[in-house]
Amino acid sequence: QSVLTQPPSVSGAPGQRVTISCTGSSSNIGAGYDVHWYQQLPGTAPKLLIFRNNNRPSGVPDRFSGSHSGASATLAISGLQAEDEADYYCHSYDNYLSGSEVFGGGTRLTVL
Amino acid sequence: EVLLVESGGGLVQPGRSLRLSCAASGFSFEDYAMHWVRQAPGKGLEWVSGISLNSNSIGYADSVKGRFTISRDNAKKSLFLQMNSLRAEDTAFYYCAKNMMGSSWYRGYFDPWGQGILVTVSS
Repeated sequence: QSVLTQPPSVSGAPGQRVTISCTGSSSNIGAGYDVHWYQQLPGTAPKLLIFRNNNRPSGVPDRFSGSHSGASATLAISGLQAEDEADYYCHSYDNYLSGSEVFGGGTRLTVL
Repeated sequence: EVLLVESGGGLVQPGRSLRLSCAASGFSFEDYAMHWVRQAPGKGLEWVSGISLNSNSIGYADSVKGRFTISRDNAKKSLFLQMNSLRAEDTAFYYCAKNMMGSSWYRGYFDPWGQGILVTVSS
């Protein structure tokens, strides 16, 4: 059971827009800690996609965007492309007890 | 180019120990906190441990606290993870990752990640 909750899977046709939610609590996202997103293509290491809620590293297309409100965050992908098919993970900090970095359980995006 | 290369993985029996290494290049290693993150085959990501740039601040996931020890050698640009009393549930790909944002290990984001190294705990 992950501290941050993501839907196990989402899907969309090429060109469509999809969103992936990441729901936390008052000890992590709800406490104001930043949310970051990673993309993991099959058989590869995770790659940073969005940092500090809504910032894209250089080289990440502007089709990817992040937002957050309260204890939740959302990754949006517009203009879906076949190469977007991957696993997506949200990440934040949790201040429960001694504190730890926490991930969502991951969302598999399928491009139909 | 920033590069992180893990080594030291393999097959180990339950209860035994293993030491992972991560060799860093392409950046000033001593200026960044570092992390270990693992992923059991077919499962999601799990943060394991983080260490500040000067080793003064360290954090562990509850699942490894008391069994794993993170350390670093800034002169050798290397990160380590000493894993003792290994269990079957420690079987995973282990990634090292560079922390962005701040000198301590917490509240940052991870970029880049190494390619990962597989640790299999089985008799």
